[in-house]
Amino acid sequence: QSALTQPASVSGSPGQSITISCTGTSSDVGGYNYVSWYQQHPGKAPKLMIYDVSNRPSGVSDRFSGSKSGNTASLTISGLQAEDEADYYCSSYTSSSTVFFGGGTKLTVL
Amino acid sequence: EVQLEESGGGLVQSGGSLRLSCAASVFTFTDYAMSWVRLAPGKGLEWVSAISGSGYTTYYADSVKGRFTISRDNSKNTLYLQMNSLRVEDTAVYYCAKARRGVIPFDSWGQGTLVTVSS
Repeated sequence: QSALTQPASVSGSPGQSITISCTGTSSDVGGYNYVSWYQQHPGKAPKLMIYDVSNRPSGVSDRFSGSKSGNTASLTISGLQAEDEADYYCSSYTSSSTVFFGGGTKLTVL
Repeated sequence: EVQLEESGGGLVQSGGSLRLSCAASVFTFTDYAMSWVRLAPGKGLEWVSAISGSGYTTYYADSVKGRFTISRDNSKNTLYLQMNSLRVEDTAVYYCAKARRGVIPFDSWGQGTLVTVSS
């Protein structure tokens, strides 16, 4: 069981929007604005998509956005494209100076 | 572009030891904290350990505390993970990752090295 809770899978059609949730506690997600999101294609290294809740690194499409409310963070992908199909992981800094990841969400583009 | 290249993975028996290395280039290595993150078969990412840029401060996940030791040689731009008392559940691809600032987020990753622990 992972420290942060994500849905195991989500799906959407091309052009649609989807949202992936990431639920933690006040000792991690709720206590710090240090939530980040990673995209991982099979056999590839993870890629940073969102950091500090809602910031996008240079080069990441503005179709990706992040937000947080209380102990739950969210990643929204708008205008779904086939290449968005991948596993997505949230992570958060914790009050113990450690890092938690979520269990991962498999995104299927129908 | 940041380059991170892991090495040292392989097959080891339960109870054995292994040392992973991560060679870094194209950035000022000493300025950034580094971490090891693993991906076990059929499971999700798990943060393993982090070390400050100076090497003076280290952090560990509970699952590896007391068995794994993270270190770095800033003169060689290299990160290490000494893994002792290995267990079958330590089987995973191990990635080294550079922090953007502080301990997270991880803005650059290596391609990973596979560690297989047999019983």
